Amino acid sequence: GENVEQHPSTLSVQEGDSAVIKCTYSDSASNYFPWYKQELGKRPQLIIDIRSNVGEKKDQRIAVTLNKTAKHFSLHITETQPEDSAVYFCCYSGNTGKLIFGQGTTLQVKP
Amino acid sequence: DGGITQSPKYLFRKEGQNVTLSCEQNLNHDAMYWYRQDPGQGLRLIYYSQIVNDFQKGDIAEGYSVSREKKESFPLTVTSAQKNPTAFYLCASGASSYNEQFFGPGTRLTVL
Repeated sequence: GENVEQHPSTLSVQEGDSAVIKCTYSDSASNYFPWYKQELGKRPQLIIDIRSNVGEKKDQRIAVTLNKTAKHFSLHITETQPEDSAVYFCCYSGNTGKLIFGQGTTLQVKP
Repeated sequence: DGGITQSPKYLFRKEGQNVTLSCEQNLNHDAMYWYRQDPGQGLRLIYYSQIVNDFQKGDIAEGYSVSREKKESFPLTVTSAQKNPTAFYLCASGASSYNEQFFGPGTRLTVL
């Protein structure tokens, strides 16, 4: 069935360090892979997305990589700041018209 | 984001009562979604609709019902059959499942 595993569930880093969140998905037909950030008590918001015709995409301090052969995709945040502290969700678009969400990673950036 | 609204922000109901949560969007999106989020948990899909007058069950549809009579609106009814309805409910819309989903601000439902 449609499933995505996300690791780690919690991640604590020092300000300025890098953070990496990894996801593995099951549906080989997927071609859209967004990442959402949710701050405490707020709505999820898209931070970056990637489509299957590219292997990497970067937007300032955030980058996403995709390995379709291995069905892996990852989020990389460099030079982390306290405002990066939030819950991050990886997702992929399945073939049934819905987004499949990972379980979430709680990132804490310590000043 | 600014084009998708949910009301009310907080809702309190007595056990056994049905309650309807509103979701409206002016983004001209075909697809709309309802998610449930429990404290410290991820998003679980309740129902989704890819086009007007059509909708599909998500992973946790039992005890919920929806309608999609207009493109702009996708109300969710939490029925008395839902055993544990207290949660944060998020509505989202998108051009399709292969595009960004925009989330509403959410409704926090508490059943007393």
